[in-house]
Amino acid sequence: AQSVTQLGSHVSVSEGALVLLRCNYSSSVPPYLFWYVQYPNQGLQLLLKYTSAATLVKGINGFEAEFKKSETSFHLTKPSAHMRDAAEYFCAVSDLTGGFKTIFGAGTRLFVKA
Amino acid sequence: SQTIHQWPATLVQPVGSPLSLECTVEGTSNPNLYWYRQAAGRGLQLLFYSVGIGQISSEVPQNLSASRPQDRQFILSSKKLLLSDSGFYLCAWKGTLHYTEAFFGQGTRLTVV
Repeated sequence: AQSVTQLGSHVSVSEGALVLLRCNYSSSVPPYLFWYVQYPNQGLQLLLKYTSAATLVKGINGFEAEFKKSETSFHLTKPSAHMRDAAEYFCAVSDLTGGFKTIFGAGTRLFVKA
Repeated sequence: SQTIHQWPATLVQPVGSPLSLECTVEGTSNPNLYWYRQAAGRGLQLLFYSVGIGQISSEVPQNLSASRPQDRQFILSSKKLLLSDSGFYLCAWKGTLHYTEAFFGQGTRLTVV
């Protein structure tokens, strides 16, 4: 079965600093991985996804993630944080059993300090 | 393009009252549909999913039920709400390929009082 683990429920960075949100996956087969962002009282929006085409995936709003099979990781990064990046971020993996379900991590809330 | 509508945006209901949340998808056919609940400060819990009309799978035992009367309509219901049913409910749809992403509605904030 597929699963993801997000390290750190809260991350705080200064504006302009590097953003690093950690995600490790567990899967016996090559996974399909996603990062979503959620702003307060809104639904989730896709940031980027890994579908085995390239290990470095670029997404919206300047975010990118690198798939590392040796480390079973799919960490999300952004070189320079902006105040508008403050939100909750979810790592997710496709469940390859029935229902085409998406399995989400617990989420990481990003705080950006001025 | 595909869109997903979910309503109402907020709802305050007394304990013991019924519930009906509706979700509709436009611009696609035969979508896989999902209901998630997000409790305060917690991740997303999958409640129900449906791969076709009348086909409902429940992920967790609870006080809620779901129905899919039409291809692009998904309804979350309860006969009698409990305080523990409070939360943020999200509807989502996804295509029938594992590498496709899920698309979410704007959510319903349910407060049971």
